Amino acid sequence: EDQVTQSPEALRLQEGESSSLNCSYTVSGLRGLFWYRQDPGKGPEFLFTLYSAGEEKEKERLKATLTKKESFLHITAPKPEDSATYLCAVQEGSGANSKLTFGKGITLSVRP
Amino acid sequence: EPEVTQTPSHQVTQMGQEVILRCVPISNHLYFYWYRQILGQKVEFLVSFYNNEISEKSEIFDDQFSVERPDGSNFTLKIRSTKLEDSAMYFCASSVGGTGDTQYFGPGTRLTVL
Repeated sequence: EDQVTQSPEALRLQEGESSSLNCSYTVSGLRGLFWYRQDPGKGPEFLFTLYSAGEEKEKERLKATLTKKESFLHITAPKPEDSATYLCAVQEGSGANSKLTFGKGITLSVRP
Repeated sequence: EPEVTQTPSHQVTQMGQEVILRCVPISNHLYFYWYRQILGQKVEFLVSFYNNEISEKSEIFDDQFSVERPDGSNFTLKIRSTKLEDSAMYFCASSVGGTGDTQYFGPGTRLTVL
């Protein structure tokens, strides 16, 4: 069973059409939930870190929220340049054991 | 803004050959990682490295793989005898601290094994 499930797999929006991307996780002892953006052929680019249920973080048109079972990445009035794959990753464990477990990602396409 | 760099950007090799992928982590970071992403699949953890030793490794990271920090700036991943299934994007990442700290990723090295 996957520890991190992202949905939908792909999302097509019209410019200005707000929506939310979902990341469900089943790890116990969550130490951090991370959102990254990945453009084709590039490395993941850090967006947000969330640590505890109820936490929210915002940057430009993006807002990330966290509950005990899932996280949402809300995109308000998206632009074509927001088109990318959005990755969710969780971290459990402690000390030097700090690997990230990623979901499969959500491919967002924003049409002008 | 400091960033993780990786060389080469693309490496083509023959099956059975050794390859070394190189990374320069962000200068004040202490934790270093390698991940890989097979085309169309999710990013997978390979190994973490702290205080000059491996702190954690995945099942993928078998005896064919090794990591080294040969000097104060470089971090390398060696694959001793490449297989076709090693073809993937390999990402290096680094963080200041361990658990809870943000990992910053490099641009990746695309490894193609023929």
